[in-house]
Amino acid sequence: DTEVTQTPKHLVMGMTNKKSLKCEQHMGHRAMYWYKQKAKKPPELMFVYSYEKLSINESVPSRFSPECPNSSLLNLHLHALQPEDSALYLCASSQDGTGLLRPAWNSPLHFGNGTRLTVT
Amino acid sequence: KQEVTQIPAALSVPEGENLVLNCSFTDSAIYNLQWFRQDPGKGLTSLLLIQSSQREQTSGRLNASLDKSSGRSTLYIAASQPGDSATYLCAVIHGSSNTGKLIFGQGTTLQVKP
Repeated sequence: DTEVTQTPKHLVMGMTNKKSLKCEQHMGHRAMYWYKQKAKKPPELMFVYSYEKLSINESVPSRFSPECPNSSLLNLHLHALQPEDSALYLCASSQDGTGLLRPAWNSPLHFGNGTRLTVT
Repeated sequence: KQEVTQIPAALSVPEGENLVLNCSFTDSAIYNLQWFRQDPGKGLTSLLLIQSSQREQTSGRLNASLDKSSGRSTLYIAASQPGDSATYLCAVIHGSSNTGKLIFGQGTTLQVKP
């Protein structure tokens, strides 16, 4: 079992719906990530939060809105999605986080099992 | 631009065989290299992380090596088992990265036949 928990496991939504994906970890990690993975492709980075602040946005469309309420939780709010946004959305966490100094990316990422999203 | 390539894309072996998965990267200025395993419909599981200053890491039947100068890494799996069947991904963090962004290869899908 993974130590990063994602809910829901599956989600079907229409293009006019608003939904949220949730991610939780209790390992004390200070960096949390959202990745998107299409079938038979490697994961693509969307957002990085470090110490509860958004540090990286990989030019993701505004219909995806991340939120980090506290160090253990990460949400991804979805609105007005397109069918091509259907994918597996993966949350991950790691012990290191970016800061003003060069980050020490020495810790492996821990991934959740993802949310399988289908946009109809 | 850093590019990561994994060969072969798919591999099928009989149970008990030792095998090697390959990963190459175009820019040797990496911070670290990680190997992951992904089962169908699941998330990624970190297997091994090799720092840029290291040559290899071992965990159980797995051994990963890193040759920065040639831009190559290998994942050696000893005495393969059907439970090893999965997709294996390697990923690097660029040495000058201030984001920790992982750059993934396309993966090698391994099937170990009983």
